[in-house]
Amino acid sequence: AQKVTQAQTEISVVEKEDVTLDCVYETRDTTYYLFWYKQPPSGELVFLIRRNSFDEQNEISGRYSWNFQKSTSSFNFTITASQVVDSAVYFCALSEGYGNKLVFGAGTILRVKS
Amino acid sequence: NAGVTQTPKFRILKIGQSMTLQCTQDMNHNYMYWYRQDPGMGLKLIYYSVGAGITDKGEVPNGYNVSRSTTEDFPLRLELAAPSQTSVYFCASSLQGGQPQHFGDGTRLSIL
Repeated sequence: AQKVTQAQTEISVVEKEDVTLDCVYETRDTTYYLFWYKQPPSGELVFLIRRNSFDEQNEISGRYSWNFQKSTSSFNFTITASQVVDSAVYFCALSEGYGNKLVFGAGTILRVKS
Repeated sequence: NAGVTQTPKFRILKIGQSMTLQCTQDMNHNYMYWYRQDPGMGLKLIYYSVGAGITDKGEVPNGYNVSRSTTEDFPLRLELAAPSQTSVYFCASSLQGGQPQHFGDGTRLSIL
Protein backbone atom coordinates (compact mmCIF):
# COMPACT_ATOMS: atom_id res chain seq x y z
CA ALA A 1 0.00 0.00 0.00
CA GLN A 2 1.14 3.51 -0.69
CA LYS A 3 2.06 5.85 2.13
CA VAL A 4 3.53 9.31 2.52
CA THR A 5 5.25 10.51 5.68
CA GLN A 6 5.97 14.13 6.46
CA ALA A 7 7.70 13.87 9.81
CA GLN A 8 7.94 17.61 10.40
CA THR A 9 4.63 18.76 11.80
CA GLU A 10 5.60 22.41 12.06
CA ILE A 11 8.66 24.49 11.18
CA SER A 12 9.31 28.10 12.13
CA VAL A 13 12.00 30.16 10.45
CA VAL A 14 12.97 33.78 10.19
CA GLU A 15 12.64 35.50 6.85
CA LYS A 16 15.57 34.90 4.47
CA GLU A 17 16.47 31.59 6.07
CA ASP A 18 16.55 28.48 3.90
CA VAL A 19 14.20 25.68 4.90
CA THR A 20 13.81 22.06 3.78
CA LEU A 21 10.57 20.14 4.06
CA ASP A 22 11.00 16.38 4.18
CA CYS A 23 8.87 13.79 2.43
CA VAL A 24 9.35 10.03 2.56
CA TYR A 25 7.13 7.71 0.58
CA GLU A 26 6.37 4.00 0.37
CA THR A 27 5.17 2.17 -2.70
CA ARG A 28 5.55 -1.22 -4.33
CA ASP A 29 5.00 0.10 -7.84
CA THR A 30 7.86 0.97 -10.13
CA THR A 31 5.71 3.58 -11.84
CA TYR A 32 4.44 6.36 -9.63
CA TYR A 33 4.11 10.12 -9.38
CA LEU A 34 5.07 12.48 -6.58
CA PHE A 35 3.57 15.90 -5.97
CA TRP A 36 3.91 18.90 -3.72
CA TYR A 37 0.95 21.16 -2.97
CA LYS A 38 0.78 24.40 -0.99
CA GLN A 39 -2.20 25.37 1.15
CA PRO A 40 -1.97 29.03 2.21
CA PRO A 41 -4.05 30.38 5.11
CA SER A 42 -6.86 31.16 2.67
CA GLY A 43 -7.37 27.42 2.31
CA GLU A 44 -7.06 26.65 -1.38
CA LEU A 45 -4.64 24.00 -2.65
CA VAL A 46 -1.99 25.12 -5.10
CA PHE A 47 -0.06 22.65 -7.22
CA LEU A 48 3.72 23.18 -7.08
CA ILE A 49 5.42 20.25 -8.81
CA ARG A 50 4.99 16.74 -10.19
CA ARG A 51 7.73 14.14 -10.61
CA ASN A 52 7.43 10.69 -12.14
CA SER A 53 9.41 7.73 -10.85
CA PHE A 54 11.65 7.58 -13.92
CA ASP A 55 12.91 11.11 -13.62
CA GLU A 56 15.30 11.64 -10.71
CA GLN A 57 16.57 14.96 -11.93
CA ASN A 58 16.38 17.64 -9.31
CA GLU A 59 14.40 20.70 -10.20
CA ILE A 60 14.72 24.36 -9.40
CA SER A 61 12.03 26.96 -9.88
CA GLY A 62 13.01 30.36 -8.57
CA ARG A 63 13.46 30.04 -4.81
CA TYR A 64 12.00 26.53 -4.81
CA SER A 65 13.95 23.34 -5.40
CA TRP A 66 13.14 19.67 -5.13
CA ASN A 67 15.45 16.74 -4.43
CA PHE A 68 14.13 13.34 -5.53
CA GLN A 69 16.12 10.30 -4.35
CA LYS A 70 14.71 6.86 -5.11
CA SER A 71 17.44 5.20 -3.06
CA THR A 72 16.01 6.74 0.11
CA SER A 73 12.40 7.06 -1.13
CA SER A 74 12.48 10.76 -0.47
CA PHE A 75 11.23 13.82 -2.29
CA ASN A 76 12.34 16.84 -0.29
CA PHE A 77 11.41 20.44 -0.92
CA THR A 78 13.70 23.38 -0.19
CA ILE A 79 12.75 27.04 -0.08
CA THR A 80 15.72 29.38 -0.36
CA ALA A 81 15.60 32.81 1.25
CA SER A 82 12.15 32.23 2.71
CA GLN A 83 9.56 34.99 2.73
CA VAL A 84 6.52 35.64 4.89
CA VAL A 85 4.31 34.77 1.90
CA ASP A 86 5.73 31.25 2.01
CA SER A 87 3.85 30.65 5.27
CA ALA A 88 1.45 27.81 4.51
CA VAL A 89 0.84 24.12 4.94
CA TYR A 90 2.78 22.06 2.44
CA PHE A 91 1.62 18.62 1.39
CA CYS A 92 3.57 15.89 -0.31
CA ALA A 93 1.46 13.34 -2.22
CA LEU A 94 1.94 10.07 -4.12
CA SER A 95 -0.03 8.26 -6.79
CA GLU A 96 0.83 4.77 -7.97
CA GLY A 97 0.57 3.43 -11.47
CA TYR A 98 -1.42 5.76 -13.69
CA GLY A 99 -2.49 7.87 -10.78
CA ASN A 100 -6.14 7.22 -10.08
CA LYS A 101 -5.65 7.65 -6.35
CA LEU A 102 -3.60 10.36 -4.67
CA VAL A 103 -2.38 9.73 -1.13
CA PHE A 104 -1.38 12.79 0.87
CA GLY A 105 1.01 13.17 3.74
CA ALA A 106 -0.24 14.88 6.89
CA GLY A 107 1.39 18.15 5.85
CA THR A 108 4.04 20.44 7.29
CA ILE A 109 3.06 23.84 8.65
CA LEU A 110 5.68 26.40 7.68
CA ARG A 111 5.72 29.70 9.58
CA VAL A 112 8.02 32.38 8.27
CA LYS A 113 8.48 35.30 10.65
CA SER A 114 9.63 38.75 9.62
CA ASN B 1 -11.46 31.17 -16.01
CA ALA B 2 -13.52 29.25 -13.44
CA GLY B 3 -11.62 25.93 -13.15
CA VAL B 4 -13.24 23.80 -10.43
CA THR B 5 -16.25 25.35 -8.72
CA GLN B 6 -17.72 24.03 -5.48
CA THR B 7 -20.98 25.05 -3.87
CA PRO B 8 -21.86 25.83 -1.17
CA LYS B 9 -18.77 27.27 0.56
CA PHE B 10 -20.18 26.76 4.04
CA ARG B 11 -23.02 24.69 5.44
CA ILE B 12 -24.30 23.63 8.82
CA LEU B 13 -26.37 20.46 8.99
CA LYS B 14 -28.22 18.73 11.76
CA ILE B 15 -27.51 15.09 12.52
CA GLY B 16 -29.53 12.86 10.23
CA GLN B 17 -30.07 15.44 7.50
CA SER B 18 -28.85 14.85 3.97
CA MET B 19 -27.33 17.19 1.42
CA THR B 20 -25.47 17.30 -1.87
CA LEU B 21 -22.18 19.09 -2.36
CA GLN B 22 -21.91 20.35 -5.90
CA CYS B 23 -18.77 20.31 -8.02
CA THR B 24 -18.37 21.39 -11.61
CA GLN B 25 -15.31 21.89 -13.81
CA ASP B 26 -14.95 23.64 -17.13
CA MET B 27 -11.57 22.27 -18.19
CA ASN B 28 -12.96 19.18 -19.94
CA HIS B 29 -11.05 16.97 -17.53
CA ASN B 30 -11.80 13.26 -17.55
CA TYR B 31 -10.90 12.57 -13.93
CA MET B 32 -12.67 14.02 -10.92
CA TYR B 33 -12.17 13.45 -7.20
CA TRP B 34 -13.67 14.17 -3.81
CA TYR B 35 -11.48 14.54 -0.73
CA ARG B 36 -12.08 15.43 2.86
CA GLN B 37 -9.62 17.28 5.06
CA ASP B 38 -9.95 16.98 8.80
CA PRO B 39 -8.19 19.53 11.07
CA GLY B 40 -4.41 19.09 11.07
CA MET B 41 -4.58 16.25 8.59
CA GLY B 42 -3.86 15.67 4.96
CA LEU B 43 -6.57 15.05 2.40
CA LYS B 44 -8.23 11.66 2.17
CA LEU B 45 -9.87 10.42 -1.01
CA ILE B 46 -13.59 9.68 -0.72
CA TYR B 47 -14.57 8.81 -4.31
CA TYR B 48 -13.21 9.38 -7.75
CA SER B 49 -14.36 9.11 -11.35
CA VAL B 50 -12.37 8.46 -14.51
CA GLY B 51 -15.17 9.54 -16.82
CA ALA B 52 -18.91 10.01 -17.15
CA GLY B 53 -20.78 7.00 -15.82
CA ILE B 54 -17.75 5.57 -13.99
CA THR B 55 -17.09 6.01 -10.28
CA ASP B 56 -15.02 4.16 -7.72
CA LYS B 57 -14.37 4.22 -4.00
CA GLY B 58 -11.42 5.88 -2.42
CA GLU B 59 -10.02 5.48 1.07
CA VAL B 60 -13.02 6.75 3.09
CA PRO B 61 -16.26 6.19 1.11
CA ASN B 62 -18.62 5.17 3.92
CA GLY B 63 -21.55 7.54 4.38
CA TYR B 64 -21.17 9.13 0.94
CA ASN B 65 -22.44 8.58 -2.57
CA VAL B 66 -21.47 10.04 -5.92
CA SER B 67 -22.65 10.08 -9.50
CA ARG B 68 -21.08 11.27 -12.72
CA SER B 69 -23.68 11.78 -15.43
CA THR B 70 -21.68 14.42 -17.31
CA THR B 71 -18.00 15.22 -17.79
CA GLU B 72 -18.44 18.54 -15.99
CA ASP B 73 -20.31 17.59 -12.82
CA PHE B 74 -19.45 15.32 -9.92
CA PRO B 75 -21.82 15.81 -6.98
CA LEU B 76 -21.18 14.26 -3.57
CA ARG B 77 -24.16 13.22 -1.50
CA LEU B 78 -24.23 12.79 2.25
CA GLU B 79 -27.04 10.62 3.54
CA LEU B 80 -27.88 10.69 7.26
CA ALA B 81 -25.23 13.23 8.24
CA ALA B 82 -23.13 12.34 11.30
CA PRO B 83 -20.81 14.51 13.43
CA SER B 84 -17.83 12.49 12.13
CA GLN B 85 -18.51 13.98 8.70
CA THR B 86 -17.69 17.48 9.90
CA SER B 87 -14.81 18.42 7.65
CA VAL B 88 -13.65 20.51 4.73
CA TYR B 89 -14.50 18.88 1.43
CA PHE B 90 -12.44 19.45 -1.70
CA CYS B 91 -13.35 18.54 -5.24
CA ALA B 92 -10.56 18.20 -7.81
CA SER B 93 -10.11 17.33 -11.44
CA SER B 94 -7.30 16.26 -13.73
CA LEU B 95 -6.98 15.58 -17.42
CA GLN B 96 -5.98 11.99 -16.71
CA GLY B 97 -4.37 9.89 -14.01
CA GLY B 98 -0.94 11.01 -12.89
CA GLN B 99 -1.54 14.59 -14.00
CA PRO B 100 -1.68 17.47 -11.51
CA GLN B 101 -5.06 17.82 -9.87
CA HIS B 102 -6.80 21.18 -9.85
CA PHE B 103 -8.76 21.84 -6.69
CA GLY B 104 -11.86 23.82 -5.89
CA ASP B 105 -11.89 26.22 -2.97
CA GLY B 106 -13.54 23.72 -0.66
CA THR B 107 -16.81 23.37 1.24
CA ARG B 108 -16.66 23.73 5.02
CA LEU B 109 -19.33 21.45 6.47
CA SER B 110 -20.33 21.30 10.13
CA ILE B 111 -22.75 18.71 11.47
CA LEU B 112 -24.27 19.46 14.85
